[in-house]
Parts: sequence; structure tokens; C-alpha cells
Amino acid sequence: GNSVTQMEGPVTLSEEAFLTINCTYTATGYPSLFWYVQYPGEGLQLLLKATKADDKGSNKGFEATYRKETTSFHLEKGSVQVSDSAVYFCALINNAGNMLTFGGGTRLMVKP
Amino acid sequence: GAVVSQHPSRVICKSGTSVKIECRSLDFQATTMFWYRQFPKQSLMLMATSNEGSKATYEQGVEKDKFLINHASLTLSTLTVTSAHPEDSSFYICSAPTGGGKLFFGSGTQLSVL
Repeated sequence: GNSVTQMEGPVTLSEEAFLTINCTYTATGYPSLFWYVQYPGEGLQLLLKATKADDKGSNKGFEATYRKETTSFHLEKGSVQVSDSAVYFCALINNAGNMLTFGGGTRLMVKP
Repeated sequence: GAVVSQHPSRVICKSGTSVKIECRSLDFQATTMFWYRQFPKQSLMLMATSNEGSKATYEQGVEKDKFLINHASLTLSTLTVTSAHPEDSSFYICSAPTGGGKLFFGSGTQLSVL
């Protein structure tokens, strides 16, 4: 079956540091890939997505590139802010669009 | 680790009937649970936040009377799709946060309305 593996947290960074959260996946065919974010006390929100190989999703300074050759979708941000402190989830949807698989989540803590 | 159980995994019903989906936190208490809907080939849409002991908070555009949410206890939230129609056919998924700040997802319910 499909699976998503993301790096264990928590990740603790100082403000303005560079962020990378690794995500790799196992899936048949050509899934769509997503990063979701959950801020404290809130539900899940879509952060960015990519639907085919070499696509780059971007939003709010975050980026992730769909790398089929390495089955990865690593999340990056050049300069994090305290307000970026949240839990980040990598996910994929299969070809048929009817099965959603999440990674375990990575907590990011940004200190001033 | 924490587990969220969602039932049923698949349901097929006739138009006009109501369908109840259960979401249970098996080894932790959840005062809040989230309900999402996923449209084909698209991302999840947050529908509502259920709160134990009080009314659910619905996202804009979600019909409260169509999607009834009840958070009956610290381990159970239910979503009832009332008078279901074919356009309600979708994949519904719940999640529950732990006190430690992690979020766990149910396995989802595929609803097909004929």
C-alpha cells in the first residue's frame, strides 16, 4: 500500500533560520503530493501541493518540489518566523483520488 | 501510539437517507475533533470542528443542517449526513489532536449516494 514517511520532530529553530522537513513516499502510479499545516488549536490547512513530477508547490514562503526519481517532497523555507511554529504533515492522494495517506507529522518550534 | 478509529470505511446508500459516521479516539481523550471532506483529486477541506459538550464550529459554506455533528463524549464524535444526495458522495475523514499536540487521522469513510 501507499505510505508517507517524514522526519521525526520536534524541529527547533531560531527565527530566520533555514528550514527543511524531509518527506518521502511509496506509491504506485502518479500520486498528488501535499503539505498540510496545523497551527496550535486549529484544524488542518492545506499549505501547498504538487500534482506531477518536477512541479514545485509554494505558499507563504514555503516550497516543495515533487521529485519522482527520489520519491521525495521535502518542505523548505528560507527564513522561518515564530508564527511558523506548527505541526506539518506530508500527504499523498493516489491516482484514483480516493485514498489519502498522511505522514506522522513533524512539529516545528521557532524561537525568537 | 494514539489511534483514531473511523467507521464505517465504506457506505453506499440511497438518495434521501441519512448516514452516520463515527470517529473514536481509542487510547486518548479528545475534547476537539476535526471533520474533513475530500473531493476527487483535490485536497482535504475542513468542514467543521466538533467540541465535546458544546456546538460544533462549521467552516464557511458548510450546511449545518445537512452535516450534523455531535461530540457525545471525550472519545466519540459523529458526523451525520442528512437526506443524502449524490453530490454528497465523497471521502470523509476525521482527526483528533492529543494533549501533546499531535494530530491523528481516522482511516476515512467513502460515501456513495445512489
